[in-house]
Amino acid sequence: GAGVSQSPSNKVTEKGKDVELRCDPISGHTALYWYRQSLGQGLEFLIYFQGNSAPDKSGLPSDRFSAERTGGSVSTLTIQRTQQEDSAVYLCASSLAPTAAIYEQYFGPGTRLTVT
Amino acid sequence: DAKTTQPTSMDCAEGRAANLPCNHSTISGNEYVYWYRQIHSQGPQYIIHGLKNNETNEMASLIITEDRKSSTLILPHATLRDTAVYYCIVRVVNQGGKLIFGQGTELSVKP
Repeated sequence: GAGVSQSPSNKVTEKGKDVELRCDPISGHTALYWYRQSLGQGLEFLIYFQGNSAPDKSGLPSDRFSAERTGGSVSTLTIQRTQQEDSAVYLCASSLAPTAAIYEQYFGPGTRLTVT
Repeated sequence: DAKTTQPTSMDCAEGRAANLPCNHSTISGNEYVYWYRQIHSQGPQYIIHGLKNNETNEMASLIITEDRKSSTLILPHATLRDTAVYYCIVRVVNQGGKLIFGQGTELSVKP
């Protein structure tokens, strides 16, 4: 079946512009996660959705970052007034149920964001 | 979530078993051990997980010590395509399921 898809695959933007990154999770997966991976850095958690609500936003680095999920499916991560330090690969993952340890997360290919 | 410690890098000869260790000495009774890997320029991929029993699937085996303070991921016959960064993660159930990634072990499989 189809996996997690993300768009665009690459995005180059100028400092100060807003960007939107999209994630289409696996059909039927109720949990959705956003992570990012900066050059030379590890993977860091940003936000988690259960259905359309976000019970854990603890990883969002600043109020320039926001995310929403509609219809329990597609999610959009928005970065306002982008800065050069926002350059990273943004990864989305989905899973069947976040509270069951047996359900692993499936990751998309990521969106590589470059802020010039 | 408990902290994990892994070697920064390891080499393995193609066709040989790759044994990747992980220390998680502060693991709690309700924490599972998960292994993911990330091949260059791809998203992480789930490999295997376990609580206290050894586990095996088509990709790998997971050996957890009796005191659960450490574990070893075994790739029985490593191939060049197994070259990747391997992450050992301990995760509490019922806390949203977010994964906390450490630095992982960079495994290089050499011909």
